[in-house]
Amino acid sequence: NAGVTQTPKFQVLKTGQSMTLQCAQDMNHNSMYWYRQDPGMGLRLIYYSASEGTTDKGEVPNGYNVSRLNKREFSLRLESAAPSQTSVYFCASSRPDREDGYTFGSGTRLTVV
Amino acid sequence: SQKIEQNSEALNIQEGKTATLTCNYTNYSPAYLQWYRQDPGRGPVFLLLIRENEKEKRKERLKVTFDTTLKQSLFHITASQPADSATYLCALPPSGGSYIPTFGRGTSLIVHP
Repeated sequence: NAGVTQTPKFQVLKTGQSMTLQCAQDMNHNSMYWYRQDPGMGLRLIYYSASEGTTDKGEVPNGYNVSRLNKREFSLRLESAAPSQTSVYFCASSRPDREDGYTFGSGTRLTVV
Repeated sequence: SQKIEQNSEALNIQEGKTATLTCNYTNYSPAYLQWYRQDPGRGPVFLLLIRENEKEKRKERLKVTFDTTLKQSLFHITASQPADSATYLCALPPSGGSYIPTFGRGTSLIVHP
């Protein structure tokens, strides 16, 4: 049981470059999320997808786009990376009631230079 | 908006002692509260959920209390071990129809042999 799988684990981008972070879950969860975690800031929600076919903005959506490709996959795209987007990105999934908690991936450490 | 306060200072204890971590929150009364463990370079891992009508919940060496009057949850690890060293986060569910949960910034626990 892999849970939530994120790729890549590490990435260095130059300012202005674009990239897509991939996420897949095998728990048949309806809801998926993208978070960023910065020192002293905790986890902040970027975008979420309550169910297949829907996406919504979280707390810090600017500079990002998402695609819920199917029930399993939820990708995060940076169209023009900025140094302020240097962070650790986590994908997560959950049941609609969230009472089993959120299942997080192992993260992508992104550095924008 | 909902806010969570967790002690930003690391908690250092000796092996075998009981560790107690605090999560204080403001504003609305949540239906439940969750606790997560996060190891360096990894995503948070769900540990426990406690509902508003539960005063206490136990899981192996873990005990969580939930005082809705004080707006506080306490997380205890009994007979602590160096392997318990990690950052522990509490989280509140979304409110008011939102899908955005609130995560605390976490408290680092260091158990010394």
